Order: sequence, then structure tokens, then C-alpha cells
Amino acid sequence: SQTIHQWPATLVQPVGSPLSLECTVEGTSNPNLYWYRQAAGRGLQLLFYSVGIGQISSEVPQNLSASRPQDRQFILSSKKLLLSDSGFYLCAWSGTSGRRSYEQYFGPGTRLTVT
Amino acid sequence: AQSVTQPDIHITVSEGASLELRCNYSYGATPYLFWYVQSPGQGLQLLLKYFSGDTLVQGIKGFEAEFKRSQSSFNLRKPSVHWSDAAEYFCAVAPGAGSYQLTFGKGTKLSVIP
Repeated sequence: SQTIHQWPATLVQPVGSPLSLECTVEGTSNPNLYWYRQAAGRGLQLLFYSVGIGQISSEVPQNLSASRPQDRQFILSSKKLLLSDSGFYLCAWSGTSGRRSYEQYFGPGTRLTVT
Repeated sequence: AQSVTQPDIHITVSEGASLELRCNYSYGATPYLFWYVQSPGQGLQLLLKYFSGDTLVQGIKGFEAEFKRSQSSFNLRKPSVHWSDAAEYFCAVAPGAGSYQLTFGKGTKLSVIP
């Protein structure tokens, strides 16, 4: 079966510091990968998605970037954090064939607090 | 642009009572439809999905949802709520046709009174 991991689970970082959040998927190959941010009362905002190694699409201009160095690894980064980057970050994966491409499965999330 | 509306921000029901959470979408064609559940501090879990065919779909944990094209709705139901169902519920829509991005509603928080 497939599993998705995110770390760290929680993170407290000062403004201006760098960020690296990691997401890995097991039990599948060549998944589509997604990064979302969830702010209280605002639902989920898609930040980035990737259909393959080195292929990143950005949905919202922001202080963040994403990379996919390996097939099942997705990294969310920032060079300098802003207070507004605080939130709950969720990674998700989906298959790549037929309807499985539309079913997204989520990791446990990372709670980021920028102080 | 497509949108998803969950009109109820917060619903409180008694344990054992029935539940219906509303979801309306705005999209020209029939999209693919999903319901997710999120417990506090956790990720989202897929409850059920609709692609085509039978408009009443069954999911996990005793949930079901009905697609009504004429009302652009995909409401989630459960005949008898358990205390463990207290969580936040999100409706999501994918346009299909090669676009894999989901648009989420803002969620409905469910509280269950013992």
C-alpha cells in the first residue's frame, strides 16, 4: 500500500530564516505531487504541483519554492520566511493514469509558526 | 473559474442523529467530486468520490453522498452520527479533462453532542 510522510511535524522559525519541508511517498512510482497551505477558516490553497522529476508548476506567486529531486520526494523551501508564511502545510500525491490522477491522498502535515 | 461553496461553517448535531453537509459547485460541465475529512492537527482523508454513473455513492465510515446535477450539489450524509465523526469536512472538485487540480470548499466543522 501507499504511504506518504512529511517532516518535520511542527516547526517554529524566526522571520528571515530559511525553510525546508520534506515529503516522501512510498509504494508507488511516478506520482503527481502537490503542496498545499491551509490557513484557519480559508480552506486549502494549492501552492505547487509536480508531474515528474524537475517539473514544478507554481499556482500562487509567493515567498516559497518547490523542488522534486527524486521521483517520490517533494521539497518546499524558502530563503527568508515571512510572518505570513505561518500555517499548516500539506503534501499530497495522486496516481497518473485515468481517474486515479484525480484522487489525492494527503500526508499528516507540518505546522509552521513563524515568529 | 470553478468554485466550491460549503454554506455551513459549523454544524452541531447530537450523537445518533442524522447528518447532511451541503456542497455546491460552479462549473460548466460535470466535474469530479470528492469529500474529505480532517481531524484536528491531521491531514485530510478521502471519504468518497464521484466520477460518473450512479449518483448515490458510498464511502468509508458509513458516509454517502448524492450528486444532483440540476442543483449543482454533492451533499454528504450519514444516517447516525457517532462522536468520533466530529471533525472538519471538505468538499472538493476537479474539472477533469486532464486538469488534476482540486478546488476545495472552505470546510464545515462538525461538532457532536453526546
